[in-house]
Amino acid sequence: DTGVSQDPRHKITKRGQNVTFRCDPISEHNRLYWYRQTLGQGPEFLTYFQNEAQLEKSRLLSDRFSAERPKGSFSTLEIQRTEQGDSAMYLCASSLGAASPNEKLFFGSGTQLSVL
Amino acid sequence: GESVGLHLPTLSVQEGDNSIINCAYSNSASDYFIWYKQESGKGPQFIIDIRSNMDKRQGQRVTVLLNKTVKHLSLQIAATQPGDSAVYFCAENYGGATNKLIFGTGTLLAVQP
Repeated sequence: DTGVSQDPRHKITKRGQNVTFRCDPISEHNRLYWYRQTLGQGPEFLTYFQNEAQLEKSRLLSDRFSAERPKGSFSTLEIQRTEQGDSAMYLCASSLGAASPNEKLFFGSGTQLSVL
Repeated sequence: GESVGLHLPTLSVQEGDNSIINCAYSNSASDYFIWYKQESGKGPQFIIDIRSNMDKRQGQRVTVLLNKTVKHLSLQIAATQPGDSAVYFCAENYGGATNKLIFGTGTLLAVQP
C-alpha cells in the first residue's frame, strides 16, 4: 500500500493521559499536514511540515499538542494531558511539494481518539 | 454531547439520477479548489480539482463548476450509484506557501436503490 498510513486507527484513553499518533506519508512527498475532524464537520488544519521543518501551526494547536517530523519522513503528533474535548479524528495528509503551490492533498484513514 | 455537528445538509437521490452538490467558499483570493469524498471511518478521498482560471472541469462521471463572482462551487455526479453515498466536502486553498486546504461543512449524499 503506497498511500498515507496512520497508526493507530483507534485510541481510547483516560483524561489526563498522553497519547502519540504516527503518520507515514507517501514516500516521495515533501509536505505533511495534520488535520482534526469532529463529527459532522470538515477537517480543520492543525499544522504543516515542509520536509522536517514545521512551518505553520494553527491556533487550534494548544501548548498540549506537539508535532514532529524528525527526518522529513514520518511524523508524530503528541497530545499531553488529554481532555474530553480532544476527542476527534486526527487526519494526516501529504503532498508532493512541487514548485506549484496548488496541490492535492492525499489523506490517511485517520486516528480516532476517544478521551473518557 | 455535541449535537450541532450532526446536522449535515443531506441530498437524497435515486440510483441512476444525477446529483448536484453545492458549496459556498469564503475567500475571494482562493485560487484552487478540491472536492473530496469521505466514507464513514475513512479519510477524505480526492475526487476532482479546479484552478481559479477555469470555470468547469470534467472527470469520469463528475463535473466541477466554479463561479468566482458569487464564490460558488458545485459538484455534479452523473448516473449516481449506491457507492457514491458518502459525505462530500469542498476545500479551498487560500494561496501562499503553505498550500493548506480549508474545508467546508460537507453534504451527505444518500443514494436510494
